[in-house]
This record gives sequence, structure tokens and C-alpha cells, in this order.
Amino acid sequence: DAGITQSPRHKVTETGTPVTLRCHQTENHRYMYWYRQDPGHGLRLIHYSYGVKDTDKGEVSDGYSVSRSKTEDFLLTLESATSSQTSVYFCAISESTSSGRKNIQYFGAGTRLSVL
Amino acid sequence: QQQVKQSPQSLIVQKGGISIINCAYENTAFDYFPWYQQFPGKGPALLIAIRPDVSEKKEGRFTISFNKSAKQFSLHIMDSQPGDSATYFCAASIWRTGANNLFFGTGTRLTVIP
Repeated sequence: DAGITQSPRHKVTETGTPVTLRCHQTENHRYMYWYRQDPGHGLRLIHYSYGVKDTDKGEVSDGYSVSRSKTEDFLLTLESATSSQTSVYFCAISESTSSGRKNIQYFGAGTRLSVL
Repeated sequence: QQQVKQSPQSLIVQKGGISIINCAYENTAFDYFPWYQQFPGKGPALLIAIRPDVSEKKEGRFTISFNKSAKQFSLHIMDSQPGDSATYFCAASIWRTGANNLFFGTGTRLTVIP
């Protein structure tokens, strides 16, 4: 999985509790992304980062926040988890080069989150 | 609102047959169209990709056909094998603040019967 580690791999939590998912990369890639995968929706972008402390919203960002304090780590936080946030969460990374390679995103193995 | 529409939702093909998955988009600002393959319990992995100035790209048994005027593109898997059984996602990329954003189709579950 292209030097990407997601933790935890599985988590069960209760509605209203805060949850933080971690993505760690060893590739020194500039760009990092968080997606959620749900049946019938494919993968949808939650937030992304284009550098340390540089982040922006994706198409389904409500209820989520992110932080990136160093190149290798990108954290996704659910401030107060809801049942609608039960999903599989994927982290992805991509390079920063002058060629088209920055278009290629490499995905981690995912975190399965259940909010009861 | 799904920016990339994908069909069929599922596909069953005999070994040796051709698998065809179709995608359509509306936003003409998309500038890169990758296909990802995902096995159960794994993250998606890039399979093949095309840019809109090319009508076809082939890599081994996998071919992307791209029709810019119709805003459609498709994945063809020739000589399909049981090992190709996976979920396939088409996607389209657009540059947004600071990075490329990928919009995915809803996925096609392919089953290749031996």
C-alpha cells in the first residue's frame, strides 16, 4: 500500500464521541487526502492537504476536520461521531512533480469505522 | 450529485470473455481519467489512466476508450480472468485549491466465472 499506514484499521464507537483517524506515509509526498467509501456512492473526498498546515475541504466535509502538522501525518477528526459517519475511510497520497505523476493517488488499506 | 456516472453496478463474465464498464461525466474541466481496481479489504489501486486529448490507451489486457465529444469513457478487459474479479471505479480529476481532486463513479463489481 505504497508506504501508507492507516490506524486504527477497525474502530467501533458510540454516537457523540470524538474519533481521530491517522494516516502516516513514508513516501515524503506533498499531497494527502481523506476519502470515505459507502455502497452506492463510490469514494468521496472529505478533506485534502497540499502541504504542512495547508488543507482544504472536499465534497463531503461537514462533520469532519483535519490537521497536518508534519509531512508524514494527516489526521482526520470526527468531533462528535454520528451514525451517518459509519463508513470505510481511506487515506491517499500523491507526489509533487513537474510531470503528470502528481495526478496518481496511492491509497492506504482503509479504516472501518462503526458508529453505534 | 454524482459527478461521474458509472454502469453497470455489477457484471458477470465468463473466463476469456470481454468485460466492459462505462462512465460518463458532465464537467468539461476534468483533465485526467483514471480507473482504479479494488479487491476486498484493500484500498483502490490505479489500473490505467487517460488524458482527454487521447482517444484510446491500452496496457496489456486493459484498454480505455475515451469519447470527448460524448463525455464518456469506458474500460475494456480482454480475455477476462478469475483474478480480475474485483470492484472497478472510474474517476475524473480536476484541479482545485492546491491539489487535484478526484471524483469517483459508484463502482462496478466484476465477477469472472472460471
